[in-house]
Amino acid sequence: GAGVSQTPSNKVTEKGKYVELRCDPISGHTALYWYRQSLGQGPEFLIYFQGTGAADDSGLPNDRFFAVRPEGSVSTLKIQRTERGDSAVYLCASSLRSGASGVYEQYFGPGTRLTVT
Amino acid sequence: GNSVTQMEGPVTLSEEAFLTINCTYTATGYPSLFWYVQYPGEGLQLLLKATKADDKGSNKGFEATYRKETTSFHLEKGSVQVSDSAVYFCALRLGGSNYKLTFGKGTLLTVNP
Repeated sequence: GAGVSQTPSNKVTEKGKYVELRCDPISGHTALYWYRQSLGQGPEFLIYFQGTGAADDSGLPNDRFFAVRPEGSVSTLKIQRTERGDSAVYLCASSLRSGASGVYEQYFGPGTRLTVT
Repeated sequence: GNSVTQMEGPVTLSEEAFLTINCTYTATGYPSLFWYVQYPGEGLQLLLKATKADDKGSNKGFEATYRKETTSFHLEKGSVQVSDSAVYFCALRLGGSNYKLTFGKGTLLTVNP
């Protein structure tokens, strides 16, 4: 079946602009995660959704970053007033669910490479 | 805090050579440990995992053993192939219902024919 998809694959934007990054999880996966991978680093957790709600947004670096998942499927990561330091690969992952009932394997998308000039 | 330290790359080997990529961790409690692989142009894929001390994860000829006494989870393969060229990430996840993965910086492996 189809895996996690992310669009666009590449995004170049100017400093100060607003960007939206989209993630389509695997059908039926209720848990969705965003990670950020800076050059030469491993992925770092940003936010976790269980269904429509953000269960944990402790990894978002500041209030310029926001993510939504209005219907419990597709998620959009939104970055306002982009800065050069936001340049990174943004990874999305999904899993069946997480929580007291169990933690399931996270399946990752190919990522969106964001470059802020 | 929790962290993962893995061998810095890049690592370049000839086909059929033996591979070791070192990984050590710092964590509170008893984490689960993972190796992920990222092939060029693709997303991260789970390669293998181990959930408790002395467990050995294995897949596609790769192995790693959870060593609590040395807080290590080194990745090994007896005979690498060109198709194993990729970036390898060691990661941990704390126990219970914790879902956050903490990754190392990654190690680029290039296997030459």
